[in-house]
Amino acid sequence: KAGVTQTPRYLIKTRGQQVTLSCSPISGHRSVSWYQQTPGQGLQFLFEYFSETQRNKGNFPGRFSGRQFSNSRSEMNVSTLELGDSALYLCASSRGLAGVSSYNEQFFGPGTRLTVL
Amino acid sequence: AQSVTQLDSHVSVSEGTPVLLRCNYSSSYSPSLFWYVQHPNKGLQLLLKYTSAATLVKGINGFEAEFKKSETSFHLTKPSAHMSDAAEYFCVVSDRKAAGNKLTFGGGTRVLVKP
Repeated sequence: KAGVTQTPRYLIKTRGQQVTLSCSPISGHRSVSWYQQTPGQGLQFLFEYFSETQRNKGNFPGRFSGRQFSNSRSEMNVSTLELGDSALYLCASSRGLAGVSSYNEQFFGPGTRLTVL
Repeated sequence: AQSVTQLDSHVSVSEGTPVLLRCNYSSSYSPSLFWYVQHPNKGLQLLLKYTSAATLVKGINGFEAEFKKSETSFHLTKPSAHMSDAAEYFCVVSDRKAAGNKLTFGGGTRVLVKP
């Protein structure tokens, strides 16, 4: 079974531009979560999508947005890029089953390294 | 709110000696706890997970962790370090009763293994 794939793997942008990152989950997984990893702030949760709906959201400004398509693939968009947005962006997928005491192991992709100049 | 504190940002061990990575958590609800490993320029790989079953959890590559509710700890151990264990390790908590997935990560512990 193919793992989580993220494209592109590396990206260089300049301040003020916008960027779109893509994530293809493991086949059969309906939940996709996004995380930002920086040396200063560590790993932080951005948002989660399940069945094309945002189910959970972290504490990031509105410049960070996402969406999920009917095939569970997800994209995240960052508008008006700032230098501080330079980071490794990780995507994780899981079955996404909801309910009390449910557990969903998350499988991570290799990440997209975004550099903002 | 939930949080995770990894007590050591760096740990250095000699090959063949035990490894101990310390983690304390705070959670208002019933937590699920995980340890992930990240090798350079790679994604995160799950080592082991605790989800309310046995408190001593065995994972891959000889790692294990013990959930101690009274101490709010979930320390990771390995009896004998291997060179391939050099990586960054993250202790992670999530709310087991919440719908959906929102992982809260600790700051990470970078492990150096000396020959």
